[in-house]
Amino acid sequence: GAGVSQTPSNKVTEKGKYVELRCDPISGHTALYWYRQSLGQGPEFLIYFQGTGAADDSGLPNDRFFAVRPEGSVSTLKIQRTERGDSAVYLCASSAGTSGGTDTQYFGPGTRLTVL
Amino acid sequence: AQTVTQSQPEMSVQEAETVTLSCTYDTSESNYYLFWYKQPPSRQMILVIRQEAYKQQNATENRFSVNFQKAAKSFSLKISDSQLGDTAMYFCAFMRTQGGSEKLVFGKGTKLTVNP
Repeated sequence: GAGVSQTPSNKVTEKGKYVELRCDPISGHTALYWYRQSLGQGPEFLIYFQGTGAADDSGLPNDRFFAVRPEGSVSTLKIQRTERGDSAVYLCASSAGTSGGTDTQYFGPGTRLTVL
Repeated sequence: AQTVTQSQPEMSVQEAETVTLSCTYDTSESNYYLFWYKQPPSRQMILVIRQEAYKQQNATENRFSVNFQKAAKSFSLKISDSQLGDTAMYFCAFMRTQGGSEKLVFGKGTKLTVNP
């Protein structure tokens, strides 16, 4: 595709419910990242995939958050038992995945999650 | 841990004038990358400019340039001939190049308004 896409654009859910957020990276990009952006803040790192495996999940706040990338392309961020504090914009980014941090990360438009 | 500080929550500039956004960071790494991203109301983060720490020459992209002072750990963004379309949130970000994780660490952002 032309860029990183994320669905849904907006998601409203009730406290305690389960949600899934989807990210479709740029075609051919092996690296994929999830960030969370709370109101008035910069994005904060959640998890990084290189191919199908999570190379760094140190940013996941607790075990209610989980992400997968089974075929090395599309990724899904899963949040169980949502809490009001989970309300934020969830951003996905992808990069070509070469070593040394030389790759630019290209961001999607984000999913705005609201937990009532 | 690396931190990024943007000390100007909001700034404004008249169209066609020049504005400088400040960013400082803290790291013990010797090699790393620095970025400025723009986030318009559409939420999509767009790369403005990047700088490799081992390069002494300041990066330039058309109307955008940086003043990188490695010893002072300062990385400011200068926007020349400001345009109405430059109105957005601007985020400074740091990426380490060691350790296998290419995550970005962002500052809290500066809201820039370009006035006609």
